[in-house]
Amino acid sequence: GQQVMQIPQYQHVQEGEDFTTYCNSSTTLSNIQWYKQRPGGHPVFLIQLVKSGEVKKQKRLTFQFGEAKKNSSLHITATQTTDVGTYFCAGHDYKLSFGAGTTVTVRA
Amino acid sequence: EAGVTQFPSHSVIEKGQTVTLRCDPISGHDNLYWYRRVMGKEIKFLLHFVKESKQDESGMPNNRFLAERTGGTYSTLKVQPAELEDSGVYFCASSQSRVTEAFFGQGTRLTVV
Repeated sequence: GQQVMQIPQYQHVQEGEDFTTYCNSSTTLSNIQWYKQRPGGHPVFLIQLVKSGEVKKQKRLTFQFGEAKKNSSLHITATQTTDVGTYFCAGHDYKLSFGAGTTVTVRA
Repeated sequence: EAGVTQFPSHSVIEKGQTVTLRCDPISGHDNLYWYRRVMGKEIKFLLHFVKESKQDESGMPNNRFLAERTGGTYSTLKVQPAELEDSGVYFCASSQSRVTEAFFGQGTRLTVV
């Protein structure tokens, strides 16, 4: 069955630095979605990528979908304390399957 | 527009007891998902409804878990009898179509003692 894997599991970032989290699927995806879960909260949709090689930006966040539609990345520039939380990618095959998430902590 | 609502927000039960979780999806959303997240781990898929039909229940751990979606509206997830390893946060999510964004409820934190 479809498996979605994310690395790293934890990311401890100095405020102002950049970082990237990666997502890989065992199968080709029809689309990929990214969600953010703040501590104690619930996952909230960030963005969806559909096309091969697609790149989308949301302010300091850049999302990319791989050419083979089996991997994706989220790059955050100039990390802020508001970026704290767990970022999940979710692949759409026949169901919406989530990766394990990257939990981000920020030191001021 | 009301979001996805889940009840209860917290539940503490003893091993062997029964618990029923409820999810009210966004009105008009045919797709309803149940997920479970154990502390610090992945959001694990449990099952997917399209209207009242179970589209995929491959993630249901065992026959102690029973999900229903009466009339294609709200859904319930019953755990009977509960075991210690069933503890975690159960999320419900709904979406308009199979490929659009999913809206999550606040989750039910289940603790089995």
